[in-house]
Amino acid sequence: SQELEQSPQSLIVQEGKNLTINCTSSKTLYGLYWYKQKYGEGLIFLMMLQKGGEEKSHEKITAKLDEKKQQSSLHITASQPSHAGIYLCGAVSGGGADGLTFGKGTHLIIQP
Amino acid sequence: GAVVSQHPSRVICKSGTSVKIECRSLDFQATTMFWYRQFPKQSLMLMATSNEGSKATYEQGVEKDKFLINHASLTLSTLTVTSAHPEDSSFYICSAAGPGTSGRWQFFGPGTRLTVL
Repeated sequence: SQELEQSPQSLIVQEGKNLTINCTSSKTLYGLYWYKQKYGEGLIFLMMLQKGGEEKSHEKITAKLDEKKQQSSLHITASQPSHAGIYLCGAVSGGGADGLTFGKGTHLIIQP
Repeated sequence: GAVVSQHPSRVICKSGTSVKIECRSLDFQATTMFWYRQFPKQSLMLMATSNEGSKATYEQGVEKDKFLINHASLTLSTLTVTSAHPEDSSFYICSAAGPGTSGRWQFFGPGTRLTVL
């Protein structure tokens, strides 16, 4: 089965600083999702990457998928308190309508 | 994006009772719905996949007789936790995928917090 390793597990960043979260897969990724979750709440979709080398940006968040499609990074520029939460990467392991496998998440705290 | 709702958002029940959680896709037809479970400070774990009109497929370690899933229409799937026990207390989240998406676009509901006393 596919496993996703996220690092770091938790991150404390001063407001205004940049940060990067990584997600590494044990298998080739057919699709890699990034979500944000406030504890005990639903998931907020951020981005989905499919192609090797793909990069997408939305506001101050940029996600990349490496050429081999086994590693993705999420980069936040000039972090704000609103960025605080749990970031989860999820992946589709096959080509069909499979449920997602998730990483354990990265807990991001923004210090004012 | 598409909207998926869940009801109830929170439920507290006594041990031994059954609880039903609804997952609805509000503005699209969901041929496939997924049910996930999240224990405190852990990630989401896929429990089962349900396709409209057919039996659900359960992940290894998930008891199908305990977690009954019904996907009777293209907009509604239900998860019933039968004879709930305190260890079933968790955050249950559903997601829905429409036709032609190959499951690669999934829209998540807001989750249901189940507490079993």
